[in-house]
Order: sequence, then structure tokens, then C-alpha cells
Amino acid sequence: GAVVSQHPSWVICKSGTSVKIECRSLDFQATTMFWYRQFPKQSLMLMATSNEGSKATYEQGVEKDKFLINHASLTLSTLTVTSAHPEDSSFYICSPKQGSYNEQFFGPGTRLTVL
Amino acid sequence: QKEVEQNSGPLSVPEGAIASLNCTYSDRGSQSFFWYRQYSGKSPELIMFIYSNGDKEDGRFTAQLNKASQYVSLLIRDSQPSDSATYLCAVTGNQFYFGTGTSLTVIP
Repeated sequence: GAVVSQHPSWVICKSGTSVKIECRSLDFQATTMFWYRQFPKQSLMLMATSNEGSKATYEQGVEKDKFLINHASLTLSTLTVTSAHPEDSSFYICSPKQGSYNEQFFGPGTRLTVL
Repeated sequence: QKEVEQNSGPLSVPEGAIASLNCTYSDRGSQSFFWYRQYSGKSPELIMFIYSNGDKEDGRFTAQLNKASQYVSLLIRDSQPSDSATYLCAVTGNQFYFGTGTSLTVIP
């Protein structure tokens, strides 16, 4: 399968601070990037979809001004959680997709805890 | 109605038995079907995918697809304790739709 990295893997921050999560596809070009969030004992929830060089499309209920997504290159996408609050504590997972391939691979995830 | 439905479990099977995981989906136009395994605190990892009706085998895993019944299943033969995880079914339509997952415990 594809090699995908996320950084950091684990972060704790104070309420009100911003956190940037990086996602890199190491062995293929990700034309599309999906960002998911997963709360404990729940399934993956799609937050947004971005195509390289374009603005992200956000799912209903996801604040685009709070979760800033940048997909400036085919190998790197970032998710910034601005002014994080405890309710944003979750497991954030990126999923790059290459062209028309149907298979979807996932990054290892970033565990965010907001105090 | 949810796009993809799975029995949340937990499902418990003894070591060496066959574990059967089931998934139904609502969009009859869905094209591709995937099974992922997710260990606690980890990201999902792809086990296998199936596009055509029938069975597809990969090692101890067999995926079964019945598009007429809108049903996809995963069989795990000779279950091992290391198979204990949550299994997510995913279906592609306009996007990837995930089920809520079935928790499997293999008892030594």
C-alpha cells in the first residue's frame, strides 16, 4: 500500500491555541486529499476534501474558518485547527488519493488533546 | 437511512474459528467495496477490496459481494487473537462512505 505520514502523531495544547497537522504522501502524488476526524468509539467522519491547488470542500457542520486546509502540492496537505477547544479533541486522519484509483489509504493519524 | 450499516458488535469468536462480518449499503449505484481493519488508537488499514459480485479470497480473508442484495461480507478463517480489532466497511459512491465498524474479539 501507499506510504503516508502525518506529523505530529500526538499533540496536547491549551484551549485557544492553533495546531497544524501535516500529511505527506511519500510514494505517490495525491491529487485529492481527504481529512477525517474520529471520536472515541465512533466511525470516521469526513471533514473536508481538497484537490491540489484548489480550495477545500467542507462537509456540512464543519467550520471552514476553524479547520484550515492547505493542499499546495501533490505530496503535502496541512490541516490547521484554529483556536482549538476541548471539543476539538479527536483523532485526525488524512487520506490521500491518487488520480482515479479507487483505493484509499490513510495516514497514521494525529491524536489531538485540547486542555 | 445511513449509507453503510454494520452490526457494531462486539463479536466474539474462539481462536481458529471463522469470523463473519456483515455490511449493507443503501446506494445501489455503489461501485467499489472495501474492508479496513482498525486497531484501537490506530488508523485504518486496508485489508481488501472487491468490485464484482461473488467471492474474493486473499489468504485467510474472503470478501463476498452481492449487489442485488446490497450486501458485502468479510470472512476471516482460522481467526487469531491478533485479528481482534474493529472492522470498517467502506463503499464508494460520490465519496467514501464508512460504516460504524464491527468490533471483533478473538478469544485464545
